[in-house]
Amino acid sequence: GEEVAQTPKHLVRGEGQKAKLYCAPIKGHSYVFWYQQVLKNEFKFLISFQNENVFDETGMPKERFSAKCLPNSPCSLEIQATKLEDSAVYFCASSPPLQGYGYTFGSGTRLTVV
Amino acid sequence: GNSVTQMEGPVTLSEEAFLTINCTYTATGYPSLFWYVQYPGEGLQLLLKATKADDKGSNKGFEATYRKETTSFHLEKGSVQVSDSAVYFCALSFSTSAGRSPFFGTGTSLTVIP
Repeated sequence: GEEVAQTPKHLVRGEGQKAKLYCAPIKGHSYVFWYQQVLKNEFKFLISFQNENVFDETGMPKERFSAKCLPNSPCSLEIQATKLEDSAVYFCASSPPLQGYGYTFGSGTRLTVV
Repeated sequence: GNSVTQMEGPVTLSEEAFLTINCTYTATGYPSLFWYVQYPGEGLQLLLKATKADDKGSNKGFEATYRKETTSFHLEKGSVQVSDSAVYFCALSFSTSAGRSPFFGTGTSLTVIP
């Protein structure tokens, strides 16, 4: 399809629980990006993939965050042992190959840790 | 390094007022410049872009000109509407870096009152 589909739209987890978020990129897009948006609008880059390979993970907190993009499956972002400060909206974006722009964003998953 | 600085908000304007949101950048190389818009509860949407110096991007009455001499890409609209209320993000990326995340500014919230 022509949209980046993120599920679920809302997710509530108790502190210490696991959270798993999904992203289906646009068909034909080679790159997938994950972002975290907390207060004051700022977008924090987490990780990007080129197909199923990690491309850039410089923004990823290594301790509790992991992500995968497997063939024929939605990409996923998993947070083990969630903390209150993980409460945010997590956005996924995809972009086509051979181009440094043309990013299409999903509508996000709002994670609330209570 | 690469970075984007945009004016702090929030900005509140009356309908039909003139809008300017300032954006300046620092870049190694020759970036493309973008404005994205985020409506409440949604992801980012590309509003306009410019890929080289002196290019003017325009869309939906918004304009921005790529000024290399002042390293700026200010967003303007001559007459804002209530429906323009959103958060606006300035960004840069490089066409040779398809897997690299754009560098985003911190966003400027705009509220237009009738």
